[in-house]
Amino acid sequence: QITLKESGPTLVKPTQTLTLTCTFSGFSLSTSGVGVGWIRQPPGKALEWLALIYWDDDKRYSPSLKSRLTITKDTSKNQVVLTMTNMDPVDTATYYCAHSIWFGELLGDAFDIWGQGTMVTVSS
Amino acid sequence: DIQMTQSPSSLSASVGDRVTITCRASQSISSYLNWYQQKPGKAPKLLIYAASSLQSGVPSRFSGSGSGTDFTLTISSLQPEDFATYYCQQSYSTIFTFGPGTKVDIK
Repeated sequence: QITLKESGPTLVKPTQTLTLTCTFSGFSLSTSGVGVGWIRQPPGKALEWLALIYWDDDKRYSPSLKSRLTITKDTSKNQVVLTMTNMDPVDTATYYCAHSIWFGELLGDAFDIWGQGTMVTVSS
Repeated sequence: DIQMTQSPSSLSASVGDRVTITCRASQSISSYLNWYQQKPGKAPKLLIYAASSLQSGVPSRFSGSGSGTDFTLTISSLQPEDFATYYCQQSYSTIFTFGPGTKVDIK
């Protein structure tokens, strides 16, 4: 059974750096085709994809946030870490990590298992 | 970047109704289109991947179709547990854009 859980601060100040950790079980991030992504959702708003790291350490970022994001993995600890610099109140959101699966060449990727999410508020 | 739009943004329907939600991509994404369901306070759930493939465990009343730029999610007979917000998401470019969502509520 695959599970993921996000952890990190619930409150950060403007200009600070946010560090979120996704701790997972039930799969290995060294398995071909597997990835872990981060997605956020401001209160009452839509989902926004942030970043994704693949089993081979290939990393993808949202173009609009690329300069502020870093995603890394620690395969031995079954963790993926997302850092976001220069936090602003508009970054207030629930942050989700999710397991990404590659269904095949003509089928693509999808986020099939999600964590429960962690709410982050940016305020002084 | 590929932009995703959905219509309608919200709809009201009754139990037993057939419901159709449309998603459009700003350029062709072949069949690299996924659908998610999200209930209030919960994480999204994958329903459909690759435009028309039903995720394991998802009821068969959910179906997806389309390719290129235009896609549809259909719920053949709306059930009480289907009242939720539905998002499409493209995986063509590996910049995984989500649509703005369609909220389905009770008429």
